[in-house]
Amino acid sequence: DQQVKQNSPSLSVQEGRISILNCDYTNSMFDYFLWYKKYPAEGPTFLISISSIKDKNEDGRFTVFLNKSAKHLSLHIVPSQPGDSAVYFCAANLRSNFGNEKLTFGTGTRLTIIP
Amino acid sequence: NAGVMQNPRHLVRRRGQEARLRCSPMKGHSHVYWYRQLPEEGLKFMVYLQKENIIDESGMPKERFSAEFPKEGPSILRIQQVVRGDSAAYFCASSRSGLASYEQYFGPGTRLTVT
Repeated sequence: DQQVKQNSPSLSVQEGRISILNCDYTNSMFDYFLWYKKYPAEGPTFLISISSIKDKNEDGRFTVFLNKSAKHLSLHIVPSQPGDSAVYFCAANLRSNFGNEKLTFGTGTRLTIIP
Repeated sequence: NAGVMQNPRHLVRRRGQEARLRCSPMKGHSHVYWYRQLPEEGLKFMVYLQKENIIDESGMPKERFSAEFPKEGPSILRIQQVVRGDSAAYFCASSRSGLASYEQYFGPGTRLTVT
């Protein structure tokens, strides 16, 4: 049961253009959403997040948009740079019955920036 | 300023052997999470621990898997009698708090191969 879905396994974008990565979720109880970036042979690194009470969060070249009614979020990177080439994971947070936070990850989208 | 440390980075075990994966959280972090990433899948939550306590093990397989986070030393994920299906990347993350902080910092992972 995949509660967080990234339907595009890969995406190629020209350097300087906008990269848009998409993520859909099914559980309306998720209260916080995060994007992680992962290089090969490394662990994921936190990129940007958004609370479920907001619809947009911006940090430099990165903007995350949340559409709660559609259960959809997207990450915009503009302008795209070669160093952005990586796998991007969408993650959703849920407060567990034990009171702790628990992340549910999507399957990832491999972004390739073409020079 | 060391990040989350995991060792070994690569581990090869024959079927039936035991695998021990270690995780040292970031300095000042007392909350540890373990995730597993199977090939072509996202990271899946396994267990959440605080010092000397397992708080949430809802993602752990019922048999052969155990985790601990002793008062002194690293957190250990132990897999007994490994099978081929245990081959995966195992990531540890740590955070300052299990409740207030949503930011989990990940280690580089241990890639377990069962032959």
